[in-house]
Amino acid sequence: QKEVEQDPGPLSVPEGAIVSLNCTYSNSAFQYFMWYRQYSRKGPELLMYTYSSGNKEDGRFTAQVDKSSKYISLFIRDSQPSDSATYLCAMSATGGGNKLTFGTGTQLKVEL
Amino acid sequence: GAVVSQHPSWVICKSGTSVKIECRSLDFQATTMFWYRQFPKQSLMLMATSNEGSKATYEQGVEKDKFLINHASLTLSTLTVTSAHPEDSSFYICSAPPGTREETQYFGPGTRLLVL
Repeated sequence: QKEVEQDPGPLSVPEGAIVSLNCTYSNSAFQYFMWYRQYSRKGPELLMYTYSSGNKEDGRFTAQVDKSSKYISLFIRDSQPSDSATYLCAMSATGGGNKLTFGTGTQLKVEL
Repeated sequence: GAVVSQHPSWVICKSGTSVKIECRSLDFQATTMFWYRQFPKQSLMLMATSNEGSKATYEQGVEKDKFLINHASLTLSTLTVTSAHPEDSSFYICSAPPGTREETQYFGPGTRLLVL
């Protein structure tokens, strides 16, 4: 069993839809959670960084962490074609600046 | 956010040659940098942790004699793929944490290596 599980998709939604992306994990030592966006042939770009359970909002993005269920989510509101990318969840036991364990990434396509 | 650059962005080489990839932190100092490898449609796999002024720490299964890492200054780490073979063709990405333990790390744009 992988430490971090993420549905690879692809996920296709119409413009304006609410997108829900999820990851589950098995290692209870993970305390720091991140979401990255990666466009094709580019390096990952940090979207959200969270530590505690609960919700964190930044513009159209909301990150949700449920440590009791070992489950994290990223919600994208009013999705745009420019949101089409691969979304990677990442986790760390010792801090976001240390070793990260990534999910496999979910490929998202937002269609006009 | 902090900026990390990589050079080259794309390299093609013959089998058996060595290739050097540079990773630079442009507006901050990084005592630690990370090197990842990503195969098509797969996630990032950590290869090694580069430590300024000391030896790199390699992940299990990564050959340290094949993937040489040098972190000579607080803004530069290099990864040399020695005697490259077609199976080494991949997307190599570096990252660096910009500050405190609680902060995350910023990624370079990646280097695509194709070994013929």
